[in-house]
Amino acid sequence: DAMVIQNPRYQVTQFGKPVTLSCSQTLNHNVMYWYQQKSSQAPKLLFHYYDKDFNNEADTPDNFQSRRPNTSFCFLDIRSPGLGDAAMYLCATSRVPTGSYNEQFFGPGTRLTVL
Amino acid sequence: GNSVTQMEGPVTLSEEAFLTINCTYTATGYPSLFWYVQYPGEGLQLLLKATKADDKGSNKGFEATYRKETTSFHLEKGSVQVSDSAVYFCALRDDYKLSFGAGTTVTVRA
Repeated sequence: DAMVIQNPRYQVTQFGKPVTLSCSQTLNHNVMYWYQQKSSQAPKLLFHYYDKDFNNEADTPDNFQSRRPNTSFCFLDIRSPGLGDAAMYLCATSRVPTGSYNEQFFGPGTRLTVL
Repeated sequence: GNSVTQMEGPVTLSEEAFLTINCTYTATGYPSLFWYVQYPGEGLQLLLKATKADDKGSNKGFEATYRKETTSFHLEKGSVQVSDSAVYFCALRDDYKLSFGAGTTVTVRA
């Protein structure tokens, strides 16, 4: 089955130690998104890639970066994690960003713990 | 800016009870509206959607109608099952961006 895969499902890091979260997709979608979901809160969009074009949300902290080396993979890098960055990180994909075919398909998420 | 307000939970029901989760939105223009469901330990799954006023989305016994006059998109199910226990998110899409409500936790008891 075509899907969105996130690895690892659980990640523990130390305060200030860089961490990378991974997302891959077999849907061959053009757009990949990263959301942050803190405990009992709504998911919040951090940024998205449309093909190779990176689109950062205005309120996304500089501490968060992303890379998309090819269509299938997208990475979320947190340069210096703080305690406030502990959250579930959700990856999603869509065929196009807008219009009738932009339904977003979500992965299972990576739960990040910062010690 | 665009925003979604949904009924706070948690909501606890008995099996076969009627479920309603209220959702209202604030938006410029006419956004598409969605309900997503998140089962324990899993990512979000699209439950249903509506793209214009008076559209009714439906799936798995759940329904929601896009009401422009009341800016609402309430989720309903006539007879819930234990397997419906999950967190439900109302969302709107404006351009590429999904804006979510805070989520409503629903627990259905046998």
